[in-house]
Amino acid sequence: KQEVTQIPAALSVPEGENLVLNCSFTDSAIYNLQWFRQDPGKGLTSLLLIQSSQREQTSGRLNASLDKSSGRSTLYIAASQPGDSATYLCAVPLGGGGNKLTFGTGTQLKVEL
Amino acid sequence: DAGITQSPRHKVTETGTPVTLRCHQTENHRYMYWYRQDPGHGLRLIHYSYGVKDTDKGEVSDGYSVSRSKTEDFLLTLESATSSQTSVYFCAILTSGGASTGELFFGEGSRLTVL
Repeated sequence: KQEVTQIPAALSVPEGENLVLNCSFTDSAIYNLQWFRQDPGKGLTSLLLIQSSQREQTSGRLNASLDKSSGRSTLYIAASQPGDSATYLCAVPLGGGGNKLTFGTGTQLKVEL
Repeated sequence: DAGITQSPRHKVTETGTPVTLRCHQTENHRYMYWYRQDPGHGLRLIHYSYGVKDTDKGEVSDGYSVSRSKTEDFLLTLESATSSQTSVYFCAILTSGGASTGELFFGEGSRLTVL
């Protein structure tokens, strides 16, 4: 069974710092990995989708990497801002087709002034 | 914005009553999903649909049923609500690509409280 772990569960950094969020998964036979952001009381916003054939995806100050063989993905946030404060979740397919995703429990990020 | 609308956004009900949550999409995507989100458990898949009248179970399907009679609407029904079904329910759609390459987009959620 695919299991997804995100460490740390919470992170507090000063504004301007570069940071890395980690995601690990137990079954490396995935065809993609997706990173989401969730603000309190809101839905999930898709940040980046990495296909299994890719090693990295970039969007603005965000860069996500994928290492299938080691079962790991990282989300790099450059020059963090208070507006980046949110919970970040990674998700991989559960298996069995249909792109059913299983999620980590997230990293709650707080960027302080 | 992937054109997903969930209704109702908030509902309080009593144990034993039926509840139906609706997910509506405007873009004709084939795959739709219902998840629930709970503290300590994260997001878990309840049911999903891969076309009109085509649905399948997810990880936590007991106590829930779904229906999809039109491409744009995916309904989640709690036949007899229990307090353990108090949760935030999210609908999602798969956009672009195929089942193995598409990107998932979520609605704003429906907060259900069962007293």
